[in-house]
Amino acid sequence: ETGVTQSPTHLIKTRGQQVTLRCSSQSGHNTVSWYQQALGQGPQFIFQYYREEENGRGNFPPRFSGLQFPNYSSELNVNALELDDSALYLCASSLDRGGITGELFFGEGSRLTVL
Amino acid sequence: QKEVEQNSGPLSVPEGAIASLNCTYSDRGSQSFFWYRQYSGKSPELIMSIYSNGDKEDGRFTAQLNKASQYVSLLIRDSQPSDSATYLCAVNSLGSSYKLIFGSGTRLLVRP
Repeated sequence: ETGVTQSPTHLIKTRGQQVTLRCSSQSGHNTVSWYQQALGQGPQFIFQYYREEENGRGNFPPRFSGLQFPNYSSELNVNALELDDSALYLCASSLDRGGITGELFFGEGSRLTVL
Repeated sequence: QKEVEQNSGPLSVPEGAIASLNCTYSDRGSQSFFWYRQYSGKSPELIMSIYSNGDKEDGRFTAQLNKASQYVSLLIRDSQPSDSATYLCAVNSLGSSYKLIFGSGTRLLVRP
């Protein structure tokens, strides 16, 4: 069984640029959630996609957007990058929006540095 | 008030001791509770989940839940240096079943 994979693992951007992060969900999972983890903080919910539709969004501005594809893989796009966007971006897949248990299993993350 | 609160630590214990990690949450509607372990530079790894009051044991780990006090804890018996990591408490609330709310984590150091 293939776990959650994310790419790229590390990247450096400058302020004002745009970035796309990618996530392949675990086999059989139809839900992808994205979290942002700043240094020294816990992960914060950005949004969730279930069967290609956004299924909830955290307190992030519209320049954070996403997509889910028919194979349930997903992209996170961030426009007009700011210094505070520097963080570890985590993707987690699950079945049916997390189901009853809500357990999430994370990929290894994409570390974004904005200069 | 933060939704999920943890002492940031570091909590330092000698090898072989019991490490006790605590977490409080503010939403009384919370249904599911999780402990994640995160090594420096790595992603969080789920180590325990608990859904009802009481204790749940898995190997050297015991999760304890007290919904009346809105309190979750994680005990690590026979602590090993390899247990040194940040431990994140996460809560899944009934009204927002699609997301987990994380605490900021407690850093645990196990001294050889």
